[in-house]
Amino acid sequence: SQTIHQWPATLVQPVGSPLSLECTVEGTSNPNLYWYRQAAGRGLQLLFYSVGIGQISSEVPQNLSASRPQDRQFILSSKKLLLSDSGFYLCAWSGVGLSEQYFGPGTRLTVT
Amino acid sequence: DAKTTQPPSMDCAEGRAANLPCNHSTISGNEYVYWYRQIHSQGPQYIIHGLKNNETNEMASLIITEDRKSSTLILPHATLRDTAVYYCIVRGGPGNQFYFGTGTSLTVIP
Repeated sequence: SQTIHQWPATLVQPVGSPLSLECTVEGTSNPNLYWYRQAAGRGLQLLFYSVGIGQISSEVPQNLSASRPQDRQFILSSKKLLLSDSGFYLCAWSGVGLSEQYFGPGTRLTVT
Repeated sequence: DAKTTQPPSMDCAEGRAANLPCNHSTISGNEYVYWYRQIHSQGPQYIIHGLKNNETNEMASLIITEDRKSSTLILPHATLRDTAVYYCIVRGGPGNQFYFGTGTSLTVIP
């Protein structure tokens, strides 16, 4: 069966520090991968999606970037965090076409 | 942009059916309706999806109106563990991405 992992589960970082969040998927090949952010009390905002290695699409302009160095690995990064980057970051995967998305457990990021 | 409208909150008595409405009046012919739920501080959980026919699985039923402009998610016998935020999503557009709105916060009352 397929599983999706995210780490770390929680993170507290100072403003201006770098960020690297990792997401890996097991049990499937060629997944579509997604990064979402959820601010406190808000819905989910799609940040990036990827349909293959090295292929990244950005949904909104921001302080973050994403990379997909391997088929089942998706990384969210920032060179310098802002206070507004605080939130709950979720990684998700789906199969090709119109299949449903499956979400990881999330990383709660607090920028201080 | 979210293409759906949901009530911000609802209550339901434990053991009764929970009926969660969703309006998607601008839905296109090839767009599916998906439902997810999110329990506090967890990742969203897939519930069900459909195109134009009613669908049922072990978790819920999805009723889509004939004109497809609205749908209802039915939890037949709500339990306290069904307390969550429920998202109705229309999937379509370039890249077939999911766009989440703010959902309906369902509280199941003992």
